[in-house]
Amino acid sequence: SQQGEEDPQALSIQEGENATMNCSYKTSINNLQWYRQNSGRGLVHLILIRSNEREKHSGRLRVTLDTSKKSSSLLITASRAADTASYFCATDPLTQGGSEKLVFGKGTKLTVNP
Amino acid sequence: DGGITQSPKYLFRKEGQNVTLSCEQNLNHDAMYWYRQDPGQGLRLIYYSQIVNDFQKGDIAEGYSVSREKKESFPLTVTSAQKNPTAFYLCASSMRGGWRPQHFGDGTRLSIL
Repeated sequence: SQQGEEDPQALSIQEGENATMNCSYKTSINNLQWYRQNSGRGLVHLILIRSNEREKHSGRLRVTLDTSKKSSSLLITASRAADTASYFCATDPLTQGGSEKLVFGKGTKLTVNP
Repeated sequence: DGGITQSPKYLFRKEGQNVTLSCEQNLNHDAMYWYRQDPGQGLRLIYYSQIVNDFQKGDIAEGYSVSREKKESFPLTVTSAQKNPTAFYLCASSMRGGWRPQHFGDGTRLSIL
């Protein structure tokens, strides 16, 4: 079952512009994570935001979380060609006894043109 | 360097054949996971294991089997019962607890001959 839905499915921008990707989910969560996947490679963890946090920064990344709307956004500022990748959100569902697994969305494919 | 290694990178399966994908980690992680990724799709969980000698089915376990005899290793067998096995298979590991960030291998691409 896929809980997260990223929007847009694909995004093409010029180098130096900002890129914003959104993730919506269905059930209450403990935390939400963002991952990056370069073509043909495994995923790399970028950032984790807990359900009691509203915003988090890591370098050029800014993540927001709105639990009332069940949504999150990932902002990449001053994008570079090397940021070209697919970006996935993953949720840790709030379940009795604790969840043992993440639920991944379908991803946003970002292309940054030089 | 600590990491997670998947092999082989490419694998071809004949009709009626079982094939095994290898996943080894030296991160001292308790939990390990297998995902399937189809083109343009997200990750779907096949099996996961939180501790040695124990594992649970994920969302799409039919046609697959796993074992967890060692902490470092979590091989996945794609059986002949899996009628559409062509996909990119990703293995991941983490500290125990579903909320922990997962570390991924670089995947095995399985195709049908």
